[in-house]
Amino acid sequence: ETGVTQTPRHLVMGMTNKKSLKCEQHLGHNAMYWYKQSAKKPLELMFVYSLEERVENNSVPSRFSPECPNSSHLFLHLHTLQPEDSALYLCASSQDGTGDGANVLTFGAGSRLTVL
Amino acid sequence: GQNIDQPTEMTATEGAIVQINCTYQTSGFNGLFWYQQHAGEAPTFLSYNVLDGLEEKGRFSSFLSRSKGYSYLLLKELQMKDSASYLCAVKDSNYQLIWGAGTKLIIKP
Repeated sequence: ETGVTQTPRHLVMGMTNKKSLKCEQHLGHNAMYWYKQSAKKPLELMFVYSLEERVENNSVPSRFSPECPNSSHLFLHLHTLQPEDSALYLCASSQDGTGDGANVLTFGAGSRLTVL
Repeated sequence: GQNIDQPTEMTATEGAIVQINCTYQTSGFNGLFWYQQHAGEAPTFLSYNVLDGLEEKGRFSSFLSRSKGYSYLLLKELQMKDSASYLCAVKDSNYQLIWGAGTKLIIKP
C-alpha cells in the first residue's frame, strides 16, 4: 500500500453508536490531520498531530475523539453523533505539521459518514 | 474574518482553456495552494505559489498577485478527465491553511 489509506470508506451509524475511523500513511510523514468536508463548504480542520502530539484542536465537539498511537496511524473515535455530523472525513499527512514552506498535504480518499 | 472566494461551478468545452479565480482576505500570507479533487476521491496537490507571477506545470498554470489578494488556475487543452473540483487554500500568518469551498469544473464534449 502506498499513500494515505482510510477505512471504512462508508459508514452509517445511529446517534447512540460508537464507531472509529482509521487512517494509515505509508509516506514516512511526521504530521497527520483530520478534516471534515461538507458539500459546498470549505474544508474544516479538526485535529493536527505532529510527531504524535496533538498540536491543533479547532473547537471540535467532544463527541469526536482523536488518537494517534504512532506517526503512521490516526484514528477518529465517534460517539453520540448528530445528523449534522454527516460528512466526508478526510485524513491527510505531511512532512511538517506547522511552519513555512510548501508542506504539501497528501490526502486519503475519505470516509463518508451518515448519521441517522 | 478570513475568507477565500472562488466560483461554485464552471463549465467549459473539451479542448478549450478555462481560468478558475481565487481571491483571498487573510491575516498574512505564506503561500497559496491549488488542489484537484475528483468526485469520491482524495484531493491531490496541483501547485504552490508564494511569489508573484506564473508557475507553469504542463497543461496547468497558477498565477499569484499578492498585492491584489488574487490567484488563478489556468487549465489548457481541457480533457474530460479534468472534470473535478478545484480547491484554493492560503496559508496565513500563523501558517494555518484557510480553504475555499472549491470550484466544480464540468467539461462538456
